[in-house]
Amino acid sequence: AQSVTQLDSHVSVSEGTPVLLRCNYSSSYSPSLFWYVQHPNKGLQLLLKYTSAATLVKGINGFEAEFKKSETSFHLTKPSAHMSDAAEYFCVTDSSYKLIFGSGTRLLVRP
Amino acid sequence: SQTIHQWPATLVQPVGSPLSLECTVEGTSNPNLYWYRQAAGRGLQLLFYSIGIDQISSEVPQNLSASRPQDRQFILSSKKLLLSDSGFYLCAWAETGGYSNQPQHFGDGTRLSIL
Repeated sequence: AQSVTQLDSHVSVSEGTPVLLRCNYSSSYSPSLFWYVQHPNKGLQLLLKYTSAATLVKGINGFEAEFKKSETSFHLTKPSAHMSDAAEYFCVTDSSYKLIFGSGTRLLVRP
Repeated sequence: SQTIHQWPATLVQPVGSPLSLECTVEGTSNPNLYWYRQAAGRGLQLLFYSIGIDQISSEVPQNLSASRPQDRQFILSSKKLLLSDSGFYLCAWAETGGYSNQPQHFGDGTRLSIL
């Protein structure tokens, strides 16, 4: 069965420093993987998606993620954090018509 | 472009009262539609999904129900709300026929508080 595991429930960085949010996946076939962001009291916004076309996926707002089959990982990165990046981030895979969510990582950005 | 609308944005209801949350999608046809609930400090729980009119699947047995009166309209209802129904309700849509590779697009949610 497909699943994703987000390795950190909270990540804290200083503004201007790199961001790394970790996600491992489990899948019996080539997965579809997504990263979503949720700001307080808002819906989820799609940051990027991996669909096997390229292992390095660029998303919105300067985020990117790299699919590593050997490590079963799909970590989200950003070179320089902004205060506006503070939010909760979900690593997601899918199964048939449904999305399977990780437990989320709350990103805190210190000024 | 496609847009999704949810309303109301916030709702405060007494225990035992009925509920109706509405979601509509514009700019696409025959979308897959979804209702999620996000309780405080917890992840997203899929409640219902619909791959077409008259095709609604329930993921979690409870006192909620869903209906799809029109192609791009999805309604979440309850006859009698419980305290445990409090939470943040999100509607989402995806392109039709989405077995995989299809992201879901979310509305801004409804914050439901039960008193």
